[in-house]
Amino acid sequence: TAGITQAPTSQILAAGRSMTLRCTQDMRHNAMYWYRQDLGLGLRLIHYSNTAGTTGKGEVPDGYSVSRANTDDFPLTLASAVPSQTSVYFCASSDSSTGPYGYTFGSGTRLTVV
Amino acid sequence: AQSVTQLDSQVPVFEEAPVELRCNYSSSVSVYLFWYVQYPNQGLQLLLKYLSGSTLVKGINGFEAEFNKSQTSFHLRKPSVHISDTAEYFCAVSDPGGSQGNLIFGKGTKLSVKP
Repeated sequence: TAGITQAPTSQILAAGRSMTLRCTQDMRHNAMYWYRQDLGLGLRLIHYSNTAGTTGKGEVPDGYSVSRANTDDFPLTLASAVPSQTSVYFCASSDSSTGPYGYTFGSGTRLTVV
Repeated sequence: AQSVTQLDSQVPVFEEAPVELRCNYSSSVSVYLFWYVQYPNQGLQLLLKYLSGSTLVKGINGFEAEFNKSQTSFHLRKPSVHISDTAEYFCAVSDPGGSQGNLIFGKGTKLSVKP
């Protein structure tokens, strides 16, 4: 089934450790995004990439980094996790070359930092 | 910068009753508007979108929304809800001042349908 695959589904991570959340899409969408979802705060954009080789900062980028080596993959890295990064993380993609016609979302990664 | 306000964080309603979930956005410039639904422990799915043309937009599962430019609103409605509509609903708007394709989301409205 075409779409976005996120891994892992959930993870418990010790504070201070690093971790990479994986995101792969098979729709050849040029744009990809990482959001975090927290109770009462909705979805907040962490980083985005409009095309392979380029990335940009969203609303809450501190403590996170991304790379976009190719069209399909957009990993999110936490270099040194802190408890405030406990959240549900969603990867999304869109074909923004033809306008913001809506995103396709992955199923999310639930991360708990202890 | 663009912002989205969903006026109700929770909406309880009985099965087969009508429902309206409210959404207002901040900018009066041309925008694209979206509603997404998130079922428990799942990602977000697109319900409907307004890009241009008719201000009444029909989506999946019997939902519809009306774009009102003068009131900068995009309220979501369904004439008769089902138990299966229990979910969280997010309104989103494109950000003309941001990176192409970026969406700004509201904080969500939890719809709880009771028998």
